[in-house]
Amino acid sequence: NAGVTQTPKFRVLKTGQSMTLLCAQDMNHEYMYWYRQDPGMGLRLIHYSVGEGTTAKGEVPDGYNVSRLKKQNFLLGLESAAPSQTSVYFCASSYAGANTEAFFGQGTRLTVV
Amino acid sequence: GESVGLHLPTLSVQEGDNSIINCAYSNSASDYFIWYKQESGKGPQFIIDIRSNMDKRQGQRVTVLLNKTVKHLSLQIAATQPGDSAVYFCAENENLNTGNQFYFGTGTSLTVIP
Repeated sequence: NAGVTQTPKFRVLKTGQSMTLLCAQDMNHEYMYWYRQDPGMGLRLIHYSVGEGTTAKGEVPDGYNVSRLKKQNFLLGLESAAPSQTSVYFCASSYAGANTEAFFGQGTRLTVV
Repeated sequence: GESVGLHLPTLSVQEGDNSIINCAYSNSASDYFIWYKQESGKGPQFIIDIRSNMDKRQGQRVTVLLNKTVKHLSLQIAATQPGDSAVYFCAENENLNTGNQFYFGTGTSLTVIP
């Protein structure tokens, strides 16, 4: 049982390049989330999904797009990477409904130069 | 957005002592709280949670206290061990039926001195 798996683990992009981060979960969770973590700022929610085919914006959605074509996968896209998007990205998933904890992946460290 | 903050960014304790990590939250409508532990290079791991209808919950070596009057949350770790060294985050959630949007504090770094 792998839990939440993120690929890749590390990536370096040049400004203006695009890329997609993949998140896969095998716990049959309805909800999935993408967070970014920056020093001294905790985790901030980028986008989230409450089910296959649905996505919504979080706190810091600008410059990112997401898709949830399959229940187990949640993709985070950067259309035109900027240095401000240098961060560690975490995917998480949880069961639907209130009062359920989120399970996190190991993170993707992205550097935009 | 919500404001979740921690009183102390760093905490050092002697091995075997008890640790207390504090967290303040600002949304009085938050009804669910979680403490996460994050080790270097890893994702956050669930430690313990508490619902707003409770004021105390105990786990193995950990206790979470919730004071809704002053909007304060604390994590107590008994007999702290070197393996407890990590960054600890509190997270709050308000059930809005739009997904569990957790809001995280900035974290407290706990260092256990052998």
